[in-house]
Amino acid sequence: GIQVEQSPPDLILQEGANSTLRCNFSDSVNNLQWFHQNPWGQLINLFYIPSGTKQNGRLSATTVATERYSLLYISSSQTTDSGVYFCADPKMTTDSWGKLQFGAGTQVVVTP
Amino acid sequence: DGGITQSPKYLFRKEGQNVTLSCEQNLNHDAMYWYRQDPGQGLRLIYYSQIVNDFQKGDIAEGYSVSREKKESFPLTVTSAQKNPTAFYLCASSESTGELFFGEGSRLTVL
Repeated sequence: GIQVEQSPPDLILQEGANSTLRCNFSDSVNNLQWFHQNPWGQLINLFYIPSGTKQNGRLSATTVATERYSLLYISSSQTTDSGVYFCADPKMTTDSWGKLQFGAGTQVVVTP
Repeated sequence: DGGITQSPKYLFRKEGQNVTLSCEQNLNHDAMYWYRQDPGQGLRLIYYSQIVNDFQKGDIAEGYSVSREKKESFPLTVTSAQKNPTAFYLCASSESTGELFFGEGSRLTVL
């Protein structure tokens, strides 16, 4: 099956530090999204980024679809950035509608 | 505000009881989904619906049932046939582009 590798699996940051999270796919990327799952379990949309680069405040993301990877940059990290970051590629094909190719996530802890 | 509302957020159930989780969206999305998340794992698809009055089984539909009588609503019933129902349940909807939006989730515990 399709493999999704996220790295690193765990990340401990001091407040104010920058970091890069990576997501590699073994298959083509069509609807790549980055999510932040907060400690209460809510999945918050960060980026819908099938290709190219987007920025939203202190976060930015880049997807290189031809090379099947995506990067999430966190700058000037804050304690509220703690949680698990997932990348996912929802399949919207006839035989795989709605199925999510999910990475295992990167657990981020930002310390004061 | 536009979004997806799930209720209840926390639910306790005795073995043998059916429970229904509510999911309502006002994003005007045609497609809606139910996922299950177990600790330390990703999301698995239970059911999805691409249009009113139609729905399809996902990867782990056994022990669950759904209905889609209105565009805005996609309730999930966890039946007594579900052998291990304790989990975190997430409802989602999507635009035609495929971008998914999630509700806050419902945490079900079987006592």
